[in-house]
Amino acid sequence: AQKITQTQPGMFVQEKEAVTLDCTYDTSDPSYGLFWYKQPSSGEMIFLIYQGSYDQQNATEGRYSLNFQKARKSANLVISASQLGDSAMYFCAMRERGQAGTALIFGKGTTLSVSS
Amino acid sequence: DSGVTQTPKHLITATGQRVTLRCSPRSGDLSVYWYQQSLDQGLQFLIQYYNGEERAKGNILERFSAQQFPDLHSELNLSSLELGDSALYFCASSTGVAVSYEQYFGPGTRLTVT
Repeated sequence: AQKITQTQPGMFVQEKEAVTLDCTYDTSDPSYGLFWYKQPSSGEMIFLIYQGSYDQQNATEGRYSLNFQKARKSANLVISASQLGDSAMYFCAMRERGQAGTALIFGKGTTLSVSS
Repeated sequence: DSGVTQTPKHLITATGQRVTLRCSPRSGDLSVYWYQQSLDQGLQFLIQYYNGEERAKGNILERFSAQQFPDLHSELNLSSLELGDSALYFCASSTGVAVSYEQYFGPGTRLTVT
């Protein structure tokens, strides 16, 4: 079974609009972390935001916020006021405490296209 | 700039050959991870080292091996290369192994096997 599911292969948004990228996860470990990374066409992986399983508040980093719904096992990324430079692939990822090494498990990604 | 460096940036080689990819983690980071990104498999974890010791293995083929040296830099060795090994190989580092530590990725090495 997929541990991280991103159901939107592609999303389109206009500049200055907000957009939500969906992510659901599957784990039985009570301690885990959820991450979002951005991969522009140049290829590098850029860390955006982190949410811990025990965090009471949703994480925010500038224009990025994470809509964490623990009971639904979802961790959607919200980008407010989209910019042309936000066009990229976005990956949701998880680390589980119980997993030796705590490597990141990635979803398949969502391609975001921002138009003017 | 994440502070993680990888060399070379691009590598083109033939089937059956062996290559070595190099990674230097961010200053102070003890943990190094290797990931492979391909069109069909997506982003997959290969192997992790922590302070010189192998800590975890993911979907790493037997033809692949890695090590972390005393200065904490790491090398990923790929041998008997096949066309399907063509991919973007990332190295990432983190300060520790707790779930809260983000991993910082290097720019990647794009391997093309012809």
